[in-house]
Amino acid sequence: KQEVTQIPAALSVPEGENLVLNCSFTDSAIYNLQWFRQDPGKGLTSLLLIQSSQREQTSGRLNASLDKSSGRSTLYIAASQPGDSATYLCGVQGAQKLVFGQGTRLTINP
Amino acid sequence: DAGVIQSPRHEVTEMGQEVTLRCKPISGHDSLFWYRQTMMRGLELLIYFNNNVPIDDSGMPEDRFSAKMPNASFSTLKIQPSEPRDSAVYFCASRATGARANYGYTFGSGTRLTVV
Repeated sequence: KQEVTQIPAALSVPEGENLVLNCSFTDSAIYNLQWFRQDPGKGLTSLLLIQSSQREQTSGRLNASLDKSSGRSTLYIAASQPGDSATYLCGVQGAQKLVFGQGTRLTINP
Repeated sequence: DAGVIQSPRHEVTEMGQEVTLRCKPISGHDSLFWYRQTMMRGLELLIYFNNNVPIDDSGMPEDRFSAKMPNASFSTLKIQPSEPRDSAVYFCASRATGARANYGYTFGSGTRLTVV
């Protein structure tokens, strides 16, 4: 059974800092890994998807990496802004199911 | 594309009442998923469908929960009778398979259910 862990559970940093969110998973037989953002009271917005054959994906100030062999993914946010404040969720997809971690609640302080 | 559409956005009901949540997936997506999100347990997969057929309902908590997908553009999640512990946000998601699978999952805005 796939288990996904996200560390830290919460993170508060000043505006402008670069930061890294971590995601680890127990079963390396994955199909894709998808990072989402969730604002309070809202749905999930897809940020980046990394296929199992890829090592990283980039979108603007976001960069996600994947190391299947060690069961880890990181989401790097460059030059953080207050608008980046949200909960970030890592979803690991096996043959069919997408299993989530508990998320990292990120606060960017102006 | 309007995305995954869920209704209602909010539902408040009394314990014992029947609740029906609705979902319209993205056109052309052939897999549909129902998730429940709570503070304690995070996002849990309840059930998913491929080509309108239920594939895995092992996440459905009790017989009080049932889900249907009568056609490719509509699914329902029903709770009967509802209990206060069913209070949560229920999300529907859809995904394409095959060549379009690498676009990942798209989630709806969710239905916030409160059972009093």
